[in-house]
Amino acid sequence: DTGVSQNPRHKITKRGQNVTFRCDPISEHNRLYWYRQTLGQGPEFLTYFQNEAQLEKSRLLSDRFSAERPKGSFSTLEIQRTEQGDSAMYLCASSQGSSYNSPLHFGNGTRLTVT
Amino acid sequence: AQRVTQPEKLLSVFKGAPVELKCNYSYSGSPELFWYVQYSRQRLQLLLRHISRESIKGFTADLNKGETSFHLKKPFAQEEDSAMYYCALGRRQGGSEKLVFGKGTKLTVNP
Repeated sequence: DTGVSQNPRHKITKRGQNVTFRCDPISEHNRLYWYRQTLGQGPEFLTYFQNEAQLEKSRLLSDRFSAERPKGSFSTLEIQRTEQGDSAMYLCASSQGSSYNSPLHFGNGTRLTVT
Repeated sequence: AQRVTQPEKLLSVFKGAPVELKCNYSYSGSPELFWYVQYSRQRLQLLLRHISRESIKGFTADLNKGETSFHLKKPFAQEEDSAMYYCALGRRQGGSEKLVFGKGTKLTVNP
């Protein structure tokens, strides 16, 4: 499967713990996006990278959240001191060029449950 | 602020019937609008973009700036159209890549 790959698929953690998710985009795609989706809602934008540069961050991305894309390939999203409100599906997407001209290719997501 | 409203959480039609999934948006600038679809056990994927003015899988959507709407239509629904449909809004100006998604409409096409 040459699509966007996200690991792990599921993560259960206790409140206060740190978690890290990984996203491997489609190899030739230079843009990578993180979205979050809670039950009954559509995806909500968190941040995006063009190559290794993080160019836009949502206000949803509090100080406890950090995302990196160190070599312009895979990306990680870390949540520190998790809270129950962080429970959601975290979606990664990639595109070759702007999402206005090229479709976003989404991964299957990482489902986070904070107990 | 950008906002997308999909008023129907659930929509059920019979095979062969016309279907319209409603999407209204709120944005003062020049909008970029999309429909994304998620079939059962599949990933979210782009269905169509307003700028392309194309028909995909028999679906079309017309941007109506006067009514601030981007409704998705298909004249004859098929069972394989059953899926979750999300309308999304972007604003190209300022270089923002943020898409604002609606809450989605679950379409069920009955045999």
